[in-house]
Amino acid sequence: GQSLEQPSEVTAVEGAIVQINCTYQTSGFYGLSWYQQHDGGAPTFLSYNALDGLEETGRFSSFLSRSDSYGYLLLQELQMKDSASYFCAVRLDRRRTSGTYKYIFGTGTRLKVLA
Amino acid sequence: NAGVTQTPKFRILKIGQSMTLQCTQDMNHNYMYWYRQDPGMGLKLIYYSVGAGITDKGEVPNGYNVSRSTTEDFPLRLELAAPSQTSVYFCASSYKKTGGDSNQPQHFGDGTRLSIL
Repeated sequence: GQSLEQPSEVTAVEGAIVQINCTYQTSGFYGLSWYQQHDGGAPTFLSYNALDGLEETGRFSSFLSRSDSYGYLLLQELQMKDSASYFCAVRLDRRRTSGTYKYIFGTGTRLKVLA
Repeated sequence: NAGVTQTPKFRILKIGQSMTLQCTQDMNHNYMYWYRQDPGMGLKLIYYSVGAGITDKGEVPNGYNVSRSTTEDFPLRLELAAPSQTSVYFCASSYKKTGGDSNQPQHFGDGTRLSIL
């Protein structure tokens, strides 16, 4: 089966740093994406890792360890507007999915940023 | 560019009714997806399409049908609505270059909130 595990909720204060973890068990792995979703809104793409290591995009960074089936999203200098749900999504290896690109999403981590 | 447009935004159906959720994109993306999101949960893939005329099942296809007659449009059909289909439905699209393997992020529509009573 396919499963992704994330903490259900994380709370932090403005200006702090927070890390949201994601562990996965999937039949075939190609890469790990992160999406942000505000209440009532659509998911928006944040980052993608196909190789081990850290990818940095402004205040957000994402890390992947393929050997540990683990990744995390790091949010720095937290702002109130960062309060949202964050989803990790595994991009499945297309050799296992008839050559197409499919994604499995985690259940999401709700981040609350306090003033 | 409007991106991915979904209609309607809200709908209430009675059990056994049918309806079509519309999705259109103007980015010339070849890949399109339909997801459902139940309260407090992640996204589950219903159907996807890699191009006009080609569709395939995702994780939770039962009770739904799709078609892809054009690059732009990817409607989702519910034939006999059931309470278990109460959810928020998101359509998404992405682009894959021929022969390329680089990741292209999915662009999501604003969703259709569907209640079946």
